[in-house]
Amino acid sequence: NAGVTQTPKFRVLKTGQSMTLLCAQDMNHEYMYWYRQDPGMGLRLIHYSVGEGTTAKGEVPDGYNVSRLKKQNFLLGLESAAPSQTSVYFCASSYRTLANYGYTFGSGTRLTVV
Amino acid sequence: QQQVKQSPQSLIVQKGGISIINCAYENTAFDYFPWYQQFPGKGPALLIAIRPDVSEKKEGRFTISFNKSAKQFSLHIMDSQPGDSATYFCAASTETSGSRLTFGEGTQLTVNP
Repeated sequence: NAGVTQTPKFRVLKTGQSMTLLCAQDMNHEYMYWYRQDPGMGLRLIHYSVGEGTTAKGEVPDGYNVSRLKKQNFLLGLESAAPSQTSVYFCASSYRTLANYGYTFGSGTRLTVV
Repeated sequence: QQQVKQSPQSLIVQKGGISIINCAYENTAFDYFPWYQQFPGKGPALLIAIRPDVSEKKEGRFTISFNKSAKQFSLHIMDSQPGDSATYFCAASTETSGSRLTFGEGTQLTVNP
């Protein structure tokens, strides 16, 4: 019962480098999300997916891309990292129904872009 | 544009006291209001949630008070304990948002022994 697993947990990138953050969930959740957390700004939605093969933009999508090729995995890509993307990234997953969102977050990836 | 505004940014309470965190929202379509608790190095975890058809929900020492006309809701932590020291986030969602949550800015709560 791992829940939501994020890899890696920490990463330092140089400006212009690319990387992919992996999120995996074992709860058979339909919906998956990527949020970023910055001091004093709460969590802001980057991209989300309502099912395998679907993705949509959230509040702050610029500079990021995502893919959901398998129901259990949601990948977040940074094509050309910038210092403004220094943040803690959280993946989450949930049920479809509103009666119980069942929102579960991973433990986060701390990314520093220098 | 912050659709959910949270205050205070930080809060220090003595053990046994009451912690109160407030949130205000703008979008009247919001219909689900959860509170999340986050410990350092961990992801947020659902603490308690309310829907706008009730004015109050209590779970143990944690209570949500909801004022639909004022578009405000608050978290009350009774008999606060040092183990409650964490960052608390309010959030809101709509029927049509696909379970997407809009978060407040967060409140760092410290409960002194």
